Amino acid sequence: GAVVSQHPSWVICKSGTSVKIECRSLDFQATTMFWYRQFPKQSLMLMATSNEGSKATYEQGVEKDKFLINHASLTLSTLTVTSAHPEDSSFYICSAKTQVTSYEQYFGPGTRLTVT
Amino acid sequence: GESVGLHLPTLSVQEGDNSIINCAYSNSASDYFIWYKQESGKGPQFIIDIRSNMDKRQGQRVTVLLNKTVKHLSLQIAATQPGDSAVYFCAEKGDTDKLIFGTGTRLQVFP
Repeated sequence: GAVVSQHPSWVICKSGTSVKIECRSLDFQATTMFWYRQFPKQSLMLMATSNEGSKATYEQGVEKDKFLINHASLTLSTLTVTSAHPEDSSFYICSAKTQVTSYEQYFGPGTRLTVT
Repeated sequence: GESVGLHLPTLSVQEGDNSIINCAYSNSASDYFIWYKQESGKGPQFIIDIRSNMDKRQGQRVTVLLNKTVKHLSLQIAATQPGDSAVYFCAEKGDTDKLIFGTGTRLQVFP
């Protein structure tokens, strides 16, 4: 149980284009989803927290107009990287919480974004 | 803040030996701690967790120790196997749902 999927697993796009990454909780309803970014040989850095039906809360330094997050249902959150540039190339990982009282987050497999 | 290190600390152990991976956390108010294993190109995988009202918790081949006095967390892996090779992260949770990840340690197991 508690499986989180991401699509696509990898994507290559040209500079200036937008890319959408999906995060789905397959067998549970996620009250909250989180988006992380991980550069090579570095740790996971939280980008934003997303609650179903409300606006995402972004971490300091993360541009909300560049990284659009939509959490339209209890099983799906999307991250859209708008006007992507090579410096946006990274590993994007989502996680989901099962319920309000739960501490544990379940992580997706990640999406490798390469901007050329 | 951002992790600035480009070279992960590495722990090399021989197959069958015990491994100890250490982590210093930052927030004395954190009440929940987790160890994750991340293999190359994959998302983090939950290993074991501990709440701040405990100082030790054991799982299958793994033990987590928490020392709140010095804000230190450790992960012990018994009889380390080649499949344990990965990067290990500790994470702490404070008074919000957010997890703050440590810088990570690469575990290399050689025969």
